[in-house]
Amino acid sequence: EVQLVESGGGLVQPGGSLTLSCAASGFTFSDYWMHWVRQGTEKGLVWVSRINMDGSSTIYADSVKGRFTISRDNARNTLYLQMTSLRVEDTAIYYCVREMNGPTTPDYWGQGTLVTVSS
Amino acid sequence: DIQMTQSPSSVSASVGDRVTITCRASQGVSTWLAWYQQRPGKAPKLLIYGTSTLHSGVPSRFSGSGAGVDFTLTISNLQPEDFGSYFCQQTYKFPLTFGGGTKVDIK
Repeated sequence: EVQLVESGGGLVQPGGSLTLSCAASGFTFSDYWMHWVRQGTEKGLVWVSRINMDGSSTIYADSVKGRFTISRDNARNTLYLQMTSLRVEDTAIYYCVREMNGPTTPDYWGQGTLVTVSS
Repeated sequence: DIQMTQSPSSVSASVGDRVTITCRASQGVSTWLAWYQQRPGKAPKLLIYGTSTLHSGVPSRFSGSGAGVDFTLTISNLQPEDFGSYFCQQTYKFPLTFGGGTKVDIK
């Protein structure tokens, strides 16, 4: 069974930093591209970032480019999202998502971790 | 960025009804379109990808159609467990973008 378990969320002040982790199990982690997607209080889904299988290629939404860094440790089956210069508008549930092999489509989602940026 | 517009924003239907949700892209996305279901307090689940291919384990009462800019998700014979929100997503070009969602209430 595919499992993705996020951790690391919490309350942080504007301008602060936070690193999210996602522990993957139930599949060969190194064979899949991975994403982060967030869902804010307005309930809309927003794609954040994507990383390829060996971590050599990444892409970001314009809203987080230069502030967030996606990475992975295939030996630990773990995906990361380093977030710096956090803004109030970054407040959201952050989901770790696997991309299915073949079409560029996210298939399995973790349960999410809540990040709150507030003073 | 490709904008995705869903309608209606909410719908209330009875068990056994047929429900149709539409999604329009601001530019053509071929058939690179996915649908997700999200129950309250839960993560989204993939229902359909490539416009019309059901994800593993998804009941056959769900179906998808369309191409280009206009797409449809149909739930035939609505069941109580189908309540929740439904989102479309284009997977044609980055950044991947989602529709605003359709909330389905069971009468």
